[in-house]
Amino acid sequence: DTGVSQDPRHKITKRGQNVTFRCDPISEHNRLYWYRQTLGQGPEFLTYFQNEAQLEKSRLLSDRFSAERPKGSFSTLEIQRTEQGDSAMYLCASAAQVLDTGELFFGEGSRLTVL
Amino acid sequence: GQSLEQPSEVTAVEGAIVQINCTYQTSGFYGLSWYQQHDGGAPTFLSYNALDGLEETGRFSSFLSRSDSYGYLLLQELQMKDSASYFCAVKGGSYIPTFGRGTSLIVHP
Repeated sequence: DTGVSQDPRHKITKRGQNVTFRCDPISEHNRLYWYRQTLGQGPEFLTYFQNEAQLEKSRLLSDRFSAERPKGSFSTLEIQRTEQGDSAMYLCASAAQVLDTGELFFGEGSRLTVL
Repeated sequence: GQSLEQPSEVTAVEGAIVQINCTYQTSGFYGLSWYQQHDGGAPTFLSYNALDGLEETGRFSSFLSRSDSYGYLLLQELQMKDSASYFCAVKGGSYIPTFGRGTSLIVHP
């Protein structure tokens, strides 16, 4: 297992289009997180899954954003009707539940540019 | 809610020691983590403190005082490759780490 992988790494889209990002966590990790990061800021929490259950969503997350983790393995994050303010790096992270060392393993991120 | 404060930028010279402070406000507390992020890269985990005191991992150490809602990351024997952004992250009343805005560390020769 080589770590958390995200796809695509870069996405350029026009305002109003829909985009979907995929995250494959480390295989034995049952916790999965999505964060968003803009230049000069820290990662901002979007949503959290434990296995296939979505347990937390940020109150800042508009209804244009939806995330799934259908079989408790990979996850997708969809943004509908994209806006220029959605331009950011979307980071996925995973963690093990059994041994909580406080560590999140991040993927390299999916960079979204909305024109 | 949760909030964290850390300096926006710190500069130091190679070989020196630098301390990056982090104060936080949270309802409930599980632990404080530190992450390093190079430009264009993913955040990578450095350390985690759930209890008061100092944790040492090689050149990096992290300290926590829960009564003061305060922690710091100590980097010793600075190297040029340590130039990066450093984030503290607090795990409060849920298993959701909340990140600070980050500290840009610039190491000069």
